[in-house]
Amino acid sequence: GAVVSQHPSRVICKSGTSVKIECRSLDFQATTMFWYRQFPKKSLMLMATSNEGSKATYEQGVEKDKFLINHASLTLSTLTVTSAHPEDSSFYICSARDFSSYNEQFFGPGTRLTVL
Amino acid sequence: AQSVAQPEDQVNVAEGNPLTVKCTYSVSGNPYLFWYVQYPNRGLQFLLKYITGDNLVKGSYGFEAEFNKSQTSFHLKKPSALVSDSALYFCAVRDGDTGGFKTIFGAGTRLFVKA
Repeated sequence: GAVVSQHPSRVICKSGTSVKIECRSLDFQATTMFWYRQFPKKSLMLMATSNEGSKATYEQGVEKDKFLINHASLTLSTLTVTSAHPEDSSFYICSARDFSSYNEQFFGPGTRLTVL
Repeated sequence: AQSVAQPEDQVNVAEGNPLTVKCTYSVSGNPYLFWYVQYPNRGLQFLLKYITGDNLVKGSYGFEAEFNKSQTSFHLKKPSALVSDSALYFCAVRDGDTGGFKTIFGAGTRLFVKA
């Protein structure tokens, strides 16, 4: 099946710094990628939809200036958490949509962000 | 707007017994339904989906789910549970007609299988 990778898998940073997370579709092209946030023992919350070559669409309540999304190519989307705070600590999961498979979404392994 | 309900936070079952994880949904258009499993500190793994066709869908690892339109349900089942099935299970729905690309997830149900 289609594979989505995320890098890094874990990151620890200091409060006030910025962190970039990469999401790559390895064997298919993804014009659309999604970024989710998962709190401990909670469900996935859709943060934004990332469209190749255009601006991301953010869900209500998600700060677009804080969570910068760039989808520069058909296989790469990045999420940058700017001026990170401890409350940004979470598990971030991306997914990519494969148009050849009933628009099925394939998920990355997730990135654990810890802000000290 | 679409929504998903997983009424049970946790399901406990003995190894070898059948298991059911419940899911109900709400969409205005045609439902595209999915089940995913998540192991600790891992991403989501796809189990199965219903788009169209037979109401009984068979997926990975011996799991199956039945689409019931009248009850708007898509319960996940397995005839004989394994200890290794213990994980967090998510039901998800997308509106096939008008929902665009958004997939909405349920709150998740933690499955514990005891040896």
